Amino acid sequence: KAGVTQTPRYLIKTRGQQVTLSCSPISGHRSVSWYQQTPGQGLQFLFEYFSETQRNKGNFPGRFSGRQFSNSRSEMNVSTLELGDSALYLCASSGAGGTSVHEQFFGPGTRLTVL
Amino acid sequence: ILNVEQSPQSLHVQEGDSTNFTCSFPSSNFYALHWYRWETAKSPEALFVMTLNGDEKKKGRISATLNTKEGYSYLYIKGSQPEDSATYLCAFNYGQNFVFGPGTRLSVLP
Repeated sequence: KAGVTQTPRYLIKTRGQQVTLSCSPISGHRSVSWYQQTPGQGLQFLFEYFSETQRNKGNFPGRFSGRQFSNSRSEMNVSTLELGDSALYLCASSGAGGTSVHEQFFGPGTRLTVL
Repeated sequence: ILNVEQSPQSLHVQEGDSTNFTCSFPSSNFYALHWYRWETAKSPEALFVMTLNGDEKKKGRISATLNTKEGYSYLYIKGSQPEDSATYLCAFNYGQNFVFGPGTRLSVLP
């Protein structure tokens, strides 16, 4: 079974631009969560999508948004990039009804650098 | 703001030593507690999902316990091996959100 894939793996953008990251979950998984990892803040939860609906949301500004398609693939968008958005963005998929009590399988991440 | 703490921040042990780490979390609104292992240049790997007070889970040489009343979980590694070197993260799930601890970085020296 193929694992969680994320594209692109690396990305360099400049301040003010926007970016879209993609995540393909494990086949059959319907829940996709997004996380941001920075050296200073550790791993922080962005949001979770399940069956094309955002079900959970962390404490991030509205510049961070996402969506999920009918095939469970998910995209995350960050608009008006700031230097502080430079981070590793991880997505994770879960097979059952939600992430809370089920294992999450993480992708390799997208390393975003904002100049 | 909910706070999840992990201790120690880092740990160096010799191969064959047994070790343990602590994850402290709020004792209210508990839903689940997750443990992950994150090796350098790899993706975080789920170790355990724990939901019930008194839960004990085991996977090979690694085990974990959970005390939701006092808000802590222990992760134990018996007979550490160099391949156990990684950052061990715990995540507290309450309601509709996750809060991760800062992690414990373990180095096992051969």
